[in-house]
Amino acid sequence: DVKVTQSSRYLVKRTGEKVFLECVQDMDHENMFWYRQDPGLGLRLIYFSYDVKMKEKGDIPEGYSVSREKKERFSLILESASTNQTSMYLCASSSGSLEPQHFGDGTRLSIL
Amino acid sequence: QKEVEQNSGPLSVPEGAIASLNCTYSDRGSQSFFWYRQYSGKSPELIMFIYSNGDKEDGRFTAQLNKASQYVSLLIRDSQPSDSATYLCAVNMNNQGGKLIFGQGTELSVKP
Repeated sequence: DVKVTQSSRYLVKRTGEKVFLECVQDMDHENMFWYRQDPGLGLRLIYFSYDVKMKEKGDIPEGYSVSREKKERFSLILESASTNQTSMYLCASSSGSLEPQHFGDGTRLSIL
Repeated sequence: QKEVEQNSGPLSVPEGAIASLNCTYSDRGSQSFFWYRQYSGKSPELIMFIYSNGDKEDGRFTAQLNKASQYVSLLIRDSQPSDSATYLCAVNMNNQGGKLIFGQGTELSVKP
């Protein structure tokens, strides 16, 4: 089974802090994705990556950056956290462009 | 027009009945189609995927795809209260690489 592991289930940070969300997958997948999910807004793609050191903007990249130094690890960075970034963050990976994405358990992030 | 549309529900069915969940999509070039189940507070879980026109069955679940009508559906036979969740339809649009476009989800409630 595919295993996508997100470093924290719950996280509380303060406005202005730099926040790191980590995601690791164990299936040698090429593609990795970061989403946020908010009530009434559904899943929104923040950033994705097709390869090491490669990144593409999704639909809502503002206020976020990403890092993929190793194939198995994809990090989401909130450069200066704001209260409107309070959300559920979901990481996913897939093995190819037509293949399903597999999600981690999610990180519920609260910015105070 | 939204790229992937689902009725938000809630769809309520009695235990043991067939639940029918529907999804339409806008891009005729879409090539792969996925159904995810998401329990409240949890991450999406892949339950079915389909690439070709017709039906695909897996246990109590059947996915149906009609590319001419740009329509994909999920049937759940012998519905159980444990099937109560939000069901997300996701579509891999043409020339979008590994990106998935998600519908807003249909909330299903199975009453004992």
